[in-house]
Amino acid sequence: EIMMTQSPATLSVSPGERATLSCRASQSVYTNLAWYQQKPGQAPRLLIYAASTGATGIPARFSGSGSGTEFTLTISSLQSEDYAVYYCQQYNVWPYTFGQGTQLEIK
Amino acid sequence: DVQLVQSGAEVKKPGQSLRISCKGSGYSFSSNWISWVRQMPGKGLEWMGRIDPSDSYTNYSPSLEGHVSISADESISTAYLQWSSLQASDTAMYYCARHRSGNSYSYMDVWGEGTTVTVSS
Repeated sequence: EIMMTQSPATLSVSPGERATLSCRASQSVYTNLAWYQQKPGQAPRLLIYAASTGATGIPARFSGSGSGTEFTLTISSLQSEDYAVYYCQQYNVWPYTFGQGTQLEIK
Repeated sequence: DVQLVQSGAEVKKPGQSLRISCKGSGYSFSSNWISWVRQMPGKGLEWMGRIDPSDSYTNYSPSLEGHVSISADESISTAYLQWSSLQASDTAMYYCARHRSGNSYSYMDVWGEGTTVTVSS
């Protein structure tokens, strides 16, 4: 089973600033990596797939990068609606494992 | 619009059986895999397993295989997650999610709203 490790567990960033979230895989997943956003009381929402492709309707301030075992989600200028929990997930090998999540909070 | 609509909240006792559902609409149900994802109270997301509705082929997380079963009825565009004997540790929110395709290396692009399952004596 591939382990996905996200860091940091909690990230405090001021509105308008940049946020950088990391995700590491225990073995290569190539670019078979997705990012999801989850707000309290809501279902997760797809943000990024194939490591760097934005999903339909996702604002351009969200971007993804990386391949192999190291991945990054960047939010260029935080808006109030971006404060949430973010998960990475590999879909290269069964079982399709998630990271433990990064809580993005207002500084 | 593509939608997944899940069945309502359930409250059960340990040892009871349960089946929850996920109905797809707005697309060809048999063309896309469906996964189930668990979220225990205050915790992260855990992929449980998936089904190909076209042939009912399934994959399960090793940690859950044998405790749950996933099925689908293509004729009514519905996937199911079933327990034969619930435990208190099954208390969680359960999401179904559609994979972008019916092929390997397919991410989950549309999610249901979730079904809360509470197991308590």
